[in-house]
Amino acid sequence: GAVVSQHPSRVICKSGTSVKIECRSLDFQATTMFWYRQFPKQSLMLMATSNEGSKATYEQGVEKDKFLINHASLTLSTLTVTSAHPEDSSFYICSARDSLRQIQETQYFGPGTRLLVL
Amino acid sequence: TQLLEQSPQFLSIQEGENLTVYCNSSSVFSSLQWYRQEPGEGPVLLVTVVTGGEVKKLKRLTFQFGDARKDSSLHITAAQPGDTGLYLCAGDPGGFKTIFGAGTRLFVKA
Repeated sequence: GAVVSQHPSRVICKSGTSVKIECRSLDFQATTMFWYRQFPKQSLMLMATSNEGSKATYEQGVEKDKFLINHASLTLSTLTVTSAHPEDSSFYICSARDSLRQIQETQYFGPGTRLLVL
Repeated sequence: TQLLEQSPQFLSIQEGENLTVYCNSSSVFSSLQWYRQEPGEGPVLLVTVVTGGEVKKLKRLTFQFGDARKDSSLHITAAQPGDTGLYLCAGDPGGFKTIFGAGTRLFVKA
């Protein structure tokens, strides 16, 4: 149980285009999902907290208009990187908390999406 | 600032050796999680510890939660090359936002 999927796993795009990444909880409901960015050989950097039915909460330094987050259902959150530039190239990982589990702090991670902007 | 300090940051050992990774904080956590991440993949949950003083075993991995719930350790017995990866501890100090340690990069040589 507690499986999270991400799509696509890899994406290459031209500078100036927008890219949408989907994060789905496959076998549980997730009122809260998280989006992280990870640079090579570093730990996870939280970008934003996505709450179902409400606006996402962004971490300091993360541009809301650049990284659009939508959490329209209990099993799906999307991250759209708008007008992508080469410096947005990174490994993006989502995670979800199981709303019904006793230990709600535990996060379950997706497999990640590698974005390369040319 | 609430931090989870992980040590060591990097560890390179021979197959068969034992090792311990530490995760320390000045904050109290209701629970701590340990994850392992391999290159190009998302972190995979290994264990969640909840009770102070709790010890959990997962095959050759032993996890301990400190009595005061401020620290945790991961001990690997007879490490194998398949144990190679980035080990992350994580916890929520009550603010509904999980914080992560910087990670311990383990390399086990055959």
